Amino acid sequence: DAGVTQSPTHLIKTRGQQVTLRCSPKSGHDTVSWYQQALGQGPQFIFQYYEEEERQRGNFPDRFSGHQFPNYSSELNVNALLLGDSALYLCASSLSLAGGNYNEQFFGPGTRLTVL
Amino acid sequence: AQSVTQLDSQVPVFEEAPVELRCNYSSSVSVYLFWYVQYPNQGLQLLLKYLSGSTLVKSINGFEAEFNKSQTSFHLRKPSVHISDTAEYFCAVSTYGGATNKLIFGTGTLLAVQP
Repeated sequence: DAGVTQSPTHLIKTRGQQVTLRCSPKSGHDTVSWYQQALGQGPQFIFQYYEEEERQRGNFPDRFSGHQFPNYSSELNVNALLLGDSALYLCASSLSLAGGNYNEQFFGPGTRLTVL
Repeated sequence: AQSVTQLDSQVPVFEEAPVELRCNYSSSVSVYLFWYVQYPNQGLQLLLKYLSGSTLVKSINGFEAEFNKSQTSFHLRKPSVHISDTAEYFCAVSTYGGATNKLIFGTGTLLAVQP
């Protein structure tokens, strides 16, 4: 059973460019969340997708956008890249909340984005 | 809003010594509590979680954490560490009954086990 996969592993871009990161959830999961982990910091919640809709968003500008496909995979897009966008971007998948129980998030290995 | 504080950015310890990594949280509502571990150049792995019930939770590799509601703490302990425990440890919370299961993380503690 494949876990959460992300591509690419590493990416180097220059300021002002646009980037797309991809995530495939763990088998059976329907919810995808994205986190940004800057160097030396804890992950910060960007947004979560369920049923192809953005369900909740963290404190990130509109330059950060996402998409979820019918097969539950997801993309994170960042426009007009800034140096400060350099970080490890983590994708996590889970089942939708059911019966008020907490559903564990499973993390992928991340995509390391460097903006020069 | 919720927040998580990990006061120790780095904890050096000798192999086979005990260790405690501290975590305090702030929340006006009930929360679930988690410890995640991140090995170099890898993603996050769930180490243990408190959802309800017994306030002492344990992992399969000897770590344990105790939920203390009055002190709003969820400290991580291990009685005897190994070199292989060297990693970054993150404490996190998620809101009970929230719209999503998003996680709010602390800034992490690097556990550096020395021979």
